[in-house]
Amino acid sequence: DSGVTQTPKHLITATGQRVTLRCSPRSGDLSVYWYQQSLDQGLQFLIQYYNGEERAKGNILERFSAQQFPDLHSELNLSSLELGDSALYFCASSLGTGGSGELFFGEGSRLTVL
Amino acid sequence: QQQVKQSPQSLIVQKGGISIINCAYENTAFDYFPWYQQFPGKGPALLIAIRPDVSEKKEGRFTISFNKSAKQFSLHIMDSQPGDSATYFCAASISGGYNKLIFGAGTRLAVHP
Repeated sequence: DSGVTQTPKHLITATGQRVTLRCSPRSGDLSVYWYQQSLDQGLQFLIQYYNGEERAKGNILERFSAQQFPDLHSELNLSSLELGDSALYFCASSLGTGGSGELFFGEGSRLTVL
Repeated sequence: QQQVKQSPQSLIVQKGGISIINCAYENTAFDYFPWYQQFPGKGPALLIAIRPDVSEKKEGRFTISFNKSAKQFSLHIMDSQPGDSATYFCAASISGGYNKLIFGAGTRLAVHP
C-alpha cells in the first residue's frame, strides 16, 4: 500500500459529460502529480501541484483542470469527455518538489467513456 | 527532447534467465533515472534509480547500467522469476525545482516457469 488513495476506482460515463477524480496523497507529502495511462501512450504526465500551487504542466488538455486544496488532497476535473479520454488516471505524491525523489502512486481511477 | 524511448515493448523470458530492458533519452539535462514496476491493477512503484555519476547500480537481482555518452540506460533482471512478471517503466527527470518525471512507454515482461 503506497498510502495514496484515489477515488473512484472505476467510472463509466458518456461522451460530453464531466467527471471529477479525487486523490489523497501520503501523509506529509506536499506534491501531487496526475498521470494518464492509456494502452498506446504509456504514462503521460498531466500536471503537478506543490502545497496548493500549480508547479509543472504536461500535455494536459484544456478540457481538463486540476487543483490542490489546503488539506493537500487534489481533484482532476475532466469535462466534455470524448471516447479518447478513456484511460487509467493515476495520482502520485512525493514529499518534495519531485525530480529526484520517489513518487508514490495510487492504484488509479479507470475511466471509461461510452 | 523530453522523450524517453523504451524497448522492447514486450519480453518473454524463461525462469532463471536474464531480462534486459533498454531506454534512451535526448535531453542531456536529465540527471535522475528511475525504474518503476507495475503489477496488474496496481500503480507503478519505484524499483531502483541511478544518477549519471555512476555507471552501474545493483540492488539484489536488479541492476541499472548507465552509459552517459550514449544517453542510454538499461535494467537487467538476473535469475528472472515468475513473480517478476510485470510492466516496467524507465523514466528520467531533472532533479531540483519542479520537474516532471518523464516515463518511457513501458515493457511488459512475462517470465515463464
